[in-house]
Amino acid sequence: GEDVEQSLFLSVREGDSSVINCTYTDSSSTYLYWYKQEPGAGLQLLTYIFSNMDMKQDQRLTVLLNKKDKHLSLRIADTQTGDSAIYFCAERGGKLIFGQGTELSVKP
Amino acid sequence: SAVISQKPSRDICQRGTSLTIQCQVDSQVTMMFWYRQQPGQSLTLIATANQGSEATYESGFVIDKFPISRPNLTFSTLTVSNMSPEDSSIYLCSGTLNTGELFFGEGSRLTVL
Repeated sequence: GEDVEQSLFLSVREGDSSVINCTYTDSSSTYLYWYKQEPGAGLQLLTYIFSNMDMKQDQRLTVLLNKKDKHLSLRIADTQTGDSAIYFCAERGGKLIFGQGTELSVKP
Repeated sequence: SAVISQKPSRDICQRGTSLTIQCQVDSQVTMMFWYRQQPGQSLTLIATANQGSEATYESGFVIDKFPISRPNLTFSTLTVSNMSPEDSSIYLCSGTLNTGELFFGEGSRLTVL
């Protein structure tokens, strides 16, 4: 079946950039998403990209898509302590498949 | 964007009972889905809620255990039937707009004793 892989942990210092990576296997993906989940909360849609795009920027967030390598990344500029959360990558071909989530820890 | 409201937000239930979770969307979404998130895990798709017809279930999930209704474009329910402690989880409703955006509710946290 289709699969989405993410590294489990990332630790950065406040003010640095964070880059969270994701790989997927579904060659028929139409949309790819990044969600943020804080402890005890639901999923917040951060951004999404259509599969015919290779980059999308939204304020501090930059999404890069390499469709050939099936690689998606989320860059958070000027990372703040409030960015500490779990970040989920998801791809949608027929249905939405989630990665395991990357726990981002931001140290002051 | 879309705002998705779920209720109850949390509940503690006894083994063998059933609980129905409601999901209301403030926009006419094209598709609605139900997910389960077990503690410390990622999200697993339970089923796609189809308007006016039977839901489409993923492997490992069956209608008798998780009956789903979607009477109109903005409302759906998920029932967790004959609950056991293994059903303790967060259940999340989601809906997608025709822009491709896909939003989630805050989740319903279920504890089965």
